[in-house]
Amino acid sequence: SQQGEEDPQALSIQEGENATMNCSYKTSINNLQWYRQNSGRGLVHLILIRSNEREKHSGRLRVTLDTSKKSSSLLITASRAADTASYFCATEGSGGSEKLVFGKGMKLTVNP
Amino acid sequence: DAGITQSPRHKVTETGTPVTLRCHQTENHRYMYWYRQDPGHGLRLIHYSYGVKDTDKGEVSDGYSVSRSKTEDFLLTLESATSSQTSVYFCAIRDGVNEQFFGPGTRLTVL
Repeated sequence: SQQGEEDPQALSIQEGENATMNCSYKTSINNLQWYRQNSGRGLVHLILIRSNEREKHSGRLRVTLDTSKKSSSLLITASRAADTASYFCATEGSGGSEKLVFGKGMKLTVNP
Repeated sequence: DAGITQSPRHKVTETGTPVTLRCHQTENHRYMYWYRQDPGHGLRLIHYSYGVKDTDKGEVSDGYSVSRSKTEDFLLTLESATSSQTSVYFCAIRDGVNEQFFGPGTRLTVL
């Protein structure tokens, strides 16, 4: 069963705008990760945030985690057409699970 | 793609035939995973392996079996393929932090 649920399911923006995607989950986690998938390709790891972290940055990506609300957000600043992809959040359960549970993903379209 | 390949990349088969998909890694990672991806369902774990000859079931393991006789190879077998197993199959490997690296996928069509 899916743990993470991305919101919105689809987002269309113009190049240069910021894109914010949200993920909600249900159980306690060790970490939460975001992945990107370009059409017809495998998923690519973007960023990992641990349960004791509140915010993390990587280039144009900013991830926040609110464990009290069981939610995370991924912000992509100054979006580019190349950011067009599907984005997934994935959670590793607390207690050192060997597995990740992925959400259903959301589609981001960045129009040039 | 992080030293992970899948074969075949595309396969069309008929209902009732056995199918084996192969995942090969050059990273020497202990953990390997098989997922299927379907519209509306996202990525769902089929089976995973935590070492040679050590495997465990995932969320949607019915109708699938796996084998891992050496570190670099993880095989997924559909003993008797059904149309509901038409999907895109992804293999992944895991580093020490549980970040996963995915292969390019295998598109399987069962007629």
